[in-house]
Amino acid sequence: DQQVKQNSPSLSVQEGRISILNCDYTNSMFDYFLWYKKYPAEGPTFLISISSIKDKNEDGRFTVFLNKSAKHLSLHIVPSQPGDSAVYFCAASPRGDSNYQLIWGAGTKLIIKP
Amino acid sequence: ETGVTQTPRHLVMGMTNKKSLKCEQHLGHNAMYWYKQSAKKPLELMFVYSLEERVENNSVPSRFSPECPNSSHLFLHLHTLQPEDSALYLCASSPSIGLVHREQFFGPGTRLTVL
Repeated sequence: DQQVKQNSPSLSVQEGRISILNCDYTNSMFDYFLWYKKYPAEGPTFLISISSIKDKNEDGRFTVFLNKSAKHLSLHIVPSQPGDSAVYFCAASPRGDSNYQLIWGAGTKLIIKP
Repeated sequence: ETGVTQTPRHLVMGMTNKKSLKCEQHLGHNAMYWYKQSAKKPLELMFVYSLEERVENNSVPSRFSPECPNSSHLFLHLHTLQPEDSALYLCASSPSIGLVHREQFFGPGTRLTVL
């Protein structure tokens, strides 16, 4: 049973517009969430994270929103640029002794159209 | 360049072969990880080492054997693999385990094909 779900396998967005990538989780023990970006033939690259004590974290064009009651987080990219075309992974980490574990979603492929 | 390197980048092996994957991190981190990524599936954590001690072994078949001789190097020894073991194998490192900030830094991966 997948504890972290990214229900959209792909998303296409016009350059300059906002890209919104979504992620849902089921385990209430998760207290830290991360977004990674992956280009073909490269490993995942860390983008942004958020702790469950916050509901928003911003870094430049990237903002992550966390809705704990809905067990939902989203990554907003604005404005979207061609270099943002990649696969985006959501990951979650539980509190406690096993907090080094990252549980991953299956990814969403983002395509930025010129 | 993320500071984590993996060799080889591509590997094709038969089911009776023995091979090893190598990972090296230049970030001064104390924790290292092996992940498996099969097509269209989430990353699966295989092994975790902290200060050269194994802290996690996620029910991985014994045909995969990890080795961590020091905090900068991690190996994955492979023997008598099955075709379903074909996947992208990713190595990652992090400053430590048990921290508030849990970001892990990944190498480029080894694309393994088992014939």
